[in-house]
Amino acid sequence: DIQMTQSPSFLSASVGDRVTITCRASQSISTYLNWYQQKPGKAPKLLMYAASSLQSGVPSRFSGSGSGTDFTLAISSLQPEDFATYYCQQTYSTPRIFGQGTRLEIK
Amino acid sequence: QVQLVQSGAEVKRPGASVKVSCKASGYTFTGYYMNWVRQAPGQSLEWLGWIDPYTGGTNYAQRFQGKVTMTRDTSISTVYMDLSSLTSDDTAVYFCARESGRVVADAFDIWGQGTMVTVSS
Repeated sequence: DIQMTQSPSFLSASVGDRVTITCRASQSISTYLNWYQQKPGKAPKLLMYAASSLQSGVPSRFSGSGSGTDFTLAISSLQPEDFATYYCQQTYSTPRIFGQGTRLEIK
Repeated sequence: QVQLVQSGAEVKRPGASVKVSCKASGYTFTGYYMNWVRQAPGQSLEWLGWIDPYTGGTNYAQRFQGKVTMTRDTSISTVYMDLSSLTSDDTAVYFCARESGRVVADAFDIWGQGTMVTVSS
């Protein structure tokens, strides 16, 4: 199985900051890498697909990059509604493994 | 609008089984794979498997082989996830999620609201 490792596990930042979250796959997954945002008590929400494509309706302050094994999600100018947990996921093969998550909290 | 609506919370005894439903609306039910993902309290997301609503074919995560069964009823655009021999480790929120297709990197673009399954004696 392909393993997904996210870092950091926890991130503290202020409104207006720029933050980045990284995700590393244990083998090449091309660009079959997706990012989700989850708020407490809610289902995950798709933010980015295919590593760098913004899902419809997602603000342009979110961006993604990478290919192969190393990927990054960036959020420019954090807004209060962005404080949540973020997960990467590979869909190159089954099982569809998720990263362990990055919890983004207000400093 | 496109949505997935899941059945309500369940409380089960150890050793029992649970069946969770997920009703799709607003799109062609047979055109997209449906996945099941669970999330234990305070934990990450864990993929259980998918079902192809068109053929009924399934693909289960190896660790759930023999424990999970996914089925569908095309007449009512509903998929089901049956989990057997429940233990406390199966206590989690269970989500159904539509797989968007290869053009969108098979991302999970639509999610159900989640169903809490609690296993307790």
